Amino acid sequence: GAGVSQSPRYKVAKRGQDVALRCDPISGHVSLFWYQQALGQGPEFLTYFQNEAQLDKSGLPSDRFFAERPEGSVSTLKIQRTQQEDSAVYLCASSERRADPYEQYFGPGTRLTVT
Amino acid sequence: GNSVTQMEGPVTLSEEAFLTINCTYTATGYPSLFWYVQYPGEGLQLLLKATKADDKGSNKGFEATYRKETTSFHLEKGSVQVSDSAVYFCALSNTGKLIFGQGTTLQVKP
Repeated sequence: GAGVSQSPRYKVAKRGQDVALRCDPISGHVSLFWYQQALGQGPEFLTYFQNEAQLDKSGLPSDRFFAERPEGSVSTLKIQRTQQEDSAVYLCASSERRADPYEQYFGPGTRLTVT
Repeated sequence: GNSVTQMEGPVTLSEEAFLTINCTYTATGYPSLFWYVQYPGEGLQLLLKATKADDKGSNKGFEATYRKETTSFHLEKGSVQVSDSAVYFCALSNTGKLIFGQGTTLQVKP
């Protein structure tokens, strides 16, 4: 079956531009997570949705970052006024159930480069 | 807070060598522990997991045992193959979100 998909796969933005990254989770998966992976590092948690409710946004690095999942399926991560330190791979993951220890299935990521 | 520490890489081995990648953690409560693998050009995928102390996770010849007394979850494989070359991430979770180590690159030479 179809896995988690993300688009675009690559995005180049000029400093100060706004970007929107899309995640299509596995159909029927209740939980959706966003992670940020800097070069040579492990992924770091950004935010978590259970259905349409954003239950944890403690990892969002600033108020320039905003995520939504209005109908409980597709999610969008928006970054306003991008900065060079936002350059990273943004990973989306979905899970069938609402909590650990259920497996999270990861998408291929969106590589964002801010110039 | 919760954290994961992995041995630094890269780890370079010859085919059929024994592999150990060390992972230790700091956590409140009783987290679940995971190893994820990222093959070149592919996304992260779950390799194995353990949900309570003394559990052993295993998959594709890899195994790791949840050691509460030493707060460790070391990854082992008896005989590595070239196809095992990848980046390996140790992770924990006790609230749903995953907390990852920095990753260890494994290169296996023929």
